[in-house]
Amino acid sequence: EVQLLESGGGLVQPGGSLRLSCAASGFTFSNYAMAWVRQAPGMGLEWVSPISGSAGDTYYADSVKGRFTISRDNSKNTLYLQMNRLRADDTAVYYCVRAIGDIGYYMDVWGKGTTVTVSS
Amino acid sequence: IVVMQSPATLSVSPGERATLSCRASQRLRTNLAWYQQQPGQAPRLLIYDASTRATGVPARFSGSGSGTEFTLTISSLQSEDFAVYYCQEYNNWPPLWTFGQGTRVEV
Repeated sequence: EVQLLESGGGLVQPGGSLRLSCAASGFTFSNYAMAWVRQAPGMGLEWVSPISGSAGDTYYADSVKGRFTISRDNSKNTLYLQMNRLRADDTAVYYCVRAIGDIGYYMDVWGKGTTVTVSS
Repeated sequence: IVVMQSPATLSVSPGERATLSCRASQRLRTNLAWYQQQPGQAPRLLIYDASTRATGVPARFSGSGSGTEFTLTISSLQSEDFAVYYCQEYNNWPPLWTFGQGTRVEV
């Protein structure tokens, strides 16, 4: 069964850091682009950052550029999101997603999400 | 690219047909997907490439359109179809795709 399991969310103060992880199973991880998508409370979906299967290509939404870093370890079937200088508007559920296409076009598998709350 | 969904809320009775609209500010060819999100759950892929149903999606869901105008049709609403639906474009570059704001389908 194809599965994505996120971890690492929690409560953090503004300006702090968190690292999210996503453990993938049931498919050949390195063959797929992956991405993070987030959803603020009561709001819609926001594409945060994709990464190619080889990790050679990464992109960032303007809202997180310079603060967040996406990475992957294909030997561990794990996707990461390092989040620094967190702000209140980063509060959201963060979904790990498998994306179809070399850098990911649409998302065919979603994790259950991990909640990040930025508050003092 | 701006992606606008309408209506924001659609009130439909079980068994009726629901038609959801997604309009883009630039031409997308057929680079558009639709997702369903049940309360408290992650989204689920329904349609990609504007009209191709994802694996396991019932035939009552259909997508159409190209360019700037797209439609998701649910032919006969079942109880489990009451949810929020999002469209997502993947035509822009760099690949920081845009979601619509969602349409809530309610009883």
